[in-house]
Parts: sequence; C-alpha cells; structure tokens
Amino acid sequence: GAVVSQHPSRVICKSGTSVKIECRSLDFQATTMFWYRQFPKQSLMLMATSNEGSKATYEQGVEKDKFLINHASLTLSTLTVTSAHPEDSSFYICSALEGAWETQYFGPGTRLLVL
Amino acid sequence: AQKITQTQPGMFVQEKEAVTLDCTYDTSDPSYGLFWYKQPSSGEMIFLIYQGSYDQQNATEGRYSLNFQKARKSANLVISASQLGDSAMYFCAMREGLHNQGGKLIFGQGTELSVKP
Repeated sequence: GAVVSQHPSRVICKSGTSVKIECRSLDFQATTMFWYRQFPKQSLMLMATSNEGSKATYEQGVEKDKFLINHASLTLSTLTVTSAHPEDSSFYICSALEGAWETQYFGPGTRLLVL
Repeated sequence: AQKITQTQPGMFVQEKEAVTLDCTYDTSDPSYGLFWYKQPSSGEMIFLIYQGSYDQQNATEGRYSLNFQKARKSANLVISASQLGDSAMYFCAMREGLHNQGGKLIFGQGTELSVKP
C-alpha cells in the first residue's frame, strides 16, 4: 500500500513554456500533499504544502505565481511551472501523507530540463 | 541552527557487514516523529522506518533498526547484513508534533552509503 505516482518522470521543454506535473496517491486518499525540489547531491527543499480544497501554503522564497499548485481531489495534486526558465531545471518530487503516523510517501520524482 | 544533522556525507561498508548512519536532532517539542528514507540513484524516496518520541522501544523493520537515544537526541539508522542494493543516499527527517500537525518534515543533509562487494 501507500503508493504515490508522479507524471511525467522526465520532461524537456523550451524556455518560456509551462510544464504541469501530476502527483497521485494510488491506494489511499491524501488531504495533504507536499512538493519538493532537489538539486544534485543536496537534500530536499520543501516548496509548498498542498491541501485538498484549499489554497496551497508556500515556503518562504517560493514564488506562488510561478509554481502553481492545485489539489482538486483527494488523490491528485498538480504543480505547474509557469514560463519555465533554465534555472527551473531540477528534480521535483511530491509526497502524500498517509496513516495514523502521518508518514510521507513519495512519488518517483520528475526531472525537468528547461532549454 | 540545524534541526537535523547528519555528519557523515559519505560512508563505505563491506557487503554483509552492519553499518550505522548517524542522525542528531534538535527540538523543544516533547512530541515528535523521526523518519529515515532511502534515495537510490533513480531518485525515488523510499520510506524505511519511523520512531515516535514516546515509543519505549527502538523501531525495527527487517534489516533496518533505529537506535533511538532520546537524552542524546540521536536517531541512528542501523542496517544489518548490508547488500549491494543498499547503496544509496539516506535521509533522516523529523516532524515536530505527532499527529495532525500538518505533517511537515525537516530533512537532514543526507549520507551517501556505498556497499563494497
């Protein structure tokens, strides 16, 4: 149990385009999901907390207009990187809260390359 | 100040031997949870083990055990009988509050474990 999927796994796009990443909890409902960004050989950096049916909570320094988050259902959260630039190239990974101990289960991640 | 500290950027272990990955934490909240995750080169984060601050016994999950020393604020991960597939990055993480606190995790810097054949 506690499987989280993420799509796409890899995306290459041109500068200025928008990219949507989907995060789904496959076998449980998740009112809370998280979006992280990770640079090579570094730890995860929390970008925002996504709550079903309400606005996302962004961490300090994360532009909410650039990284749009929508948590439309109990099993789906989406992250849209708007007007992507090369500096947005990174590994984006989502997680969903599950269980009595509120364990975060992670998706497999999305590698974004902006040319 | 760092809330989660992993002092070993890299570790080597011989196959079939045990290895301990260090993690210390800092919190004034009496209720907290400690987690370990494994991140292989593919990038996915795999949940390994959980320890609650009020748990009396050290958590164990198969070959993984958590050496929880509350007074020292340490939560070291012990991997017994290392396998080549254990080579990965390992992250220690803490959640302040046990339940219904939003579930936000604070991650350590990670330790890269390499298992030698």
